[in-house]
This record gives sequence, C-alpha cells and structure tokens, in this order.
Amino acid sequence: AQSVSQHNHHVILSEAASLELGCNYSYGGTVNLFWYVQYPGQHLQLLLKYFSGDPLVKGIKGFEAEFIKSKFSFNLRKPSVQWSDTAEYFCAVTAGGSARQLTFGSGTQLTVLP
Amino acid sequence: EPEVTQTPSHQVTQMGQEVILRCVPISNHLYFYWYRQILGQKVEFLVSFYNNEISEKSEIFDDQFSVERPDGSNFTLKIRSTKLEDSAMYFCASSDRTGTDIQYFGAGTRLSVL
Repeated sequence: AQSVSQHNHHVILSEAASLELGCNYSYGGTVNLFWYVQYPGQHLQLLLKYFSGDPLVKGIKGFEAEFIKSKFSFNLRKPSVQWSDTAEYFCAVTAGGSARQLTFGSGTQLTVLP
Repeated sequence: EPEVTQTPSHQVTQMGQEVILRCVPISNHLYFYWYRQILGQKVEFLVSFYNNEISEKSEIFDDQFSVERPDGSNFTLKIRSTKLEDSAMYFCASSDRTGTDIQYFGAGTRLSVL
C-alpha cells in the first residue's frame, strides 16, 4: 500500500518569503500526485496535480510542484507567500490503474505573518 | 463553480445511536467517496462507490458502516451504532469519470459521539 510523508507539521513565514513544503511518497508503481489546500472553515480544494508529462506542474494562486521520480518526492513551492495563503496543505497520491482512493499525508499548517 | 455539499455541518449523537451523514455530489459525477479525519490525524479513505455499488473500501469501513445513493442526487454514509472513536470530520468527495482522478471535496461533517 502507498504512504505519504509530509516533513513539516507547521511552517511560519513572513509575507513575501519563499515557501517549499516537502512531500515524499512510497509506492513502487505509477502514481498520480496532488496537493490540496484547506483554508480555515472551508473544504479541501485542489491546488495542483501531476499525472504524467512535464514534472514541473503549475497550479492555482502561483503554486507549483516538482515531481522527482528518483526521490519519490512532490514538493510544493511558491516564490512569495501572502497572508491569504495561511491554510493547511495536504499532499496526496492515488496509485495508477483503477485504484482511486487518495492516500493523504498528515498535512502542513502554513501560517503567514503580515 | 459546482460544489459538493454536506449536511449537517455538525452532528452530535449519543454512543450506540445511528447517524446518517448526507452528501450531494456534483451533478454529473459518477464516483463518490467518503473519507474521515480524526482530530490530529491524517485524512483516511473509507469507501468509494460507483455504479450503485462499493468499488473499494478500507479496513476502517466495517459492518457498522454502509453507503447508499437513495436517489439521483444524494449519497449517504450510515453508521449503525456509533462508538466514541467514530468522532471525526467526515468528508464526502466526487469525481467525474475514469482517468481524471480529481476528487472534489465537501466542507465536511463534524461528528461528535458522546
């Protein structure tokens, strides 16, 4: 079965700082990779996804992530965070083929100080 | 933008009681899911549902749980006899068709078992 690790439980940054949130997965086969964000009191929203092709994927709100197959990683980045990026960020995977269940990491709470 | 809606937002129940959590998936979606998140823990997959039957379920989804699509719009999760450890946030999700694997989530129902 696949598993997902997120290295940072809580990250605190000042506005305009750069962000990188780590995500590693363990699964030997093809995976689909996702980052979801949950703003306070709201539902999980998809930030970006990787299925195949260019390993650098761009998502909404200026976020991007890079899939590095050799490192089993899918780190999330943003060059300059804003106060409104304060939220919880979840990395998730589905195994390739017919399996559809998302396996989530434990989440990273990002707090951006104004 | 279409949304997955869940009701109620908060459900309080006594141990041993039955609860039904309700979800209205996005209208043209064909795959439906339930996940849960116990406070402080990861979001965990419970069950997926397609073509009026369960397609995958986790070991959490035991005989106390059932899902149903009673009409063309609702998707429900029933817990027959709630236990204290069922207290969690329950998320419903839906996705549109084979291959996209993009699941859209509701805001969740917080279940508190007393």
